[in-house]
Amino acid sequence: GAVVSQHPSRVICKSGTSVKIECRSLDFQATTMFWYRQFPKQSLMLMATSNEGSKATYEQGVEKDKFLINHASLTLSTLTVTSAHPEDSSFYICSARVPWGPGADTQYFGPGTRLTVL
Amino acid sequence: SQKIEQNSEALNIQEGKTATLTCNYTNYSPAYLQWYRQDPGRGPVFLLLIRENEKEKRKERLKVTFDTTLKQSLFHITASQPADSATYLCALAGGGNKLTFGTGTQLKVEL
Repeated sequence: GAVVSQHPSRVICKSGTSVKIECRSLDFQATTMFWYRQFPKQSLMLMATSNEGSKATYEQGVEKDKFLINHASLTLSTLTVTSAHPEDSSFYICSARVPWGPGADTQYFGPGTRLTVL
Repeated sequence: SQKIEQNSEALNIQEGKTATLTCNYTNYSPAYLQWYRQDPGRGPVFLLLIRENEKEKRKERLKVTFDTTLKQSLFHITASQPADSATYLCALAGGGNKLTFGTGTQLKVEL
């Protein structure tokens, strides 16, 4: 299957700082990427849809000014958690959707980023 | 309201047996459905995608069925092995290709 990478895998930061997480599709071009958050013992919750060359669309209840998303190229989307607070501590996971071909619509996920805000 | 239920939180089976996991949904009309495996502290790993016009799909020891009348998908692992122990997630595709995930079933394959 296709490979999606995320960086960093783990980050610890102080309250009030901003953290940027990168998501890359390594072997296919993804016009659409997605960002999810997962709390312990819970399933994945979609935060936003990232479309290459246009603004991200956010799910209800997700603050767009807090979670800035940029999808500058067909292989890279970034999520910036601005002015992070302890309640933002979570496991953040991105996915990239295969846009065409035999595997169309499949979403491949990155390995996740564990964010801890002190 | 829309709801996705996976049969149980945990499923224990003996090595060599077939594991069957269930995903039921209400108030959805998904164009396709995906199954993933997730290990602790890791992102989900794609297993199979099945579309609404497909009844069954197979890959090696895995089989998935999709019944849009019953609003149910079944996921089977044949000849299960301890290495198959993980949490399995079903995800339904909605508008904009957004996925909504079930709560997952934790499978444990015992020797």
